[in-house]
Amino acid sequence: AQSVTQLGSHVSVSEGALVLLRCNYSSSVPPYLFWYVQYPNQGLQLLLKYTSAATLVKGINGFEAEFKKSETSFHLTKPSAHMSDAAEYFCAVSVSGGYNKLIFGAGTRLAVHP
Amino acid sequence: GAVVSQHPSRVICKSGTSVKIECRSLDFQATTMFWYRQFPKQSLMLMATSNEGSKATYEQGVEKDKFLINHASLTLSTLTVTSAHPEDSSFYICSAIDRDSSYEQYFGPGTRLTVT
Repeated sequence: AQSVTQLGSHVSVSEGALVLLRCNYSSSVPPYLFWYVQYPNQGLQLLLKYTSAATLVKGINGFEAEFKKSETSFHLTKPSAHMSDAAEYFCAVSVSGGYNKLIFGAGTRLAVHP
Repeated sequence: GAVVSQHPSRVICKSGTSVKIECRSLDFQATTMFWYRQFPKQSLMLMATSNEGSKATYEQGVEKDKFLINHASLTLSTLTVTSAHPEDSSFYICSAIDRDSSYEQYFGPGTRLTVT
């Protein structure tokens, strides 16, 4: 069965600092992995996705993530945090290894302070 | 880009009544839609998979008679919360798969349900 673990329910960084949000997955099939961002009282917006092509995936708003099979990880990074990056971030894995129903991690709330 | 809408965005209903939430794919056809529930400061929990023209598939622990799902067309799925109770208060989010775009999943903006 697929599962996702996000380490750190809250992450706080200074504006301009590196953002690192951790995600580890478990999957019995080659996974499709996703990072979504959610602003208060809104739905989810796709940041980026890994679909078995390049292991380094670039997304919107300067975010990127690297798929590391040996570590079963898909950590999200951004070189320089912006105040507008403050939001809830969810890592997700596709149940069937394709674009199917998703299993979400618990989420990480990112705070950016001046 | 693909857009999914939900209506209403917020609804308050009295305990014991039913409320319907609509999920629409505005510019694509969606043979499959998903319904999620999100409690405050928690993650999304999949409730059911809605397939156009067939019965929904519910996740374990979700009461199908309480959460009625109808996917009558390729652009519309509805979730009806029947005999609502305060514990049904939550944020409900739908998503839709664009069958013509690599089967990518798009999320609606969510519906905040408050049962008094």
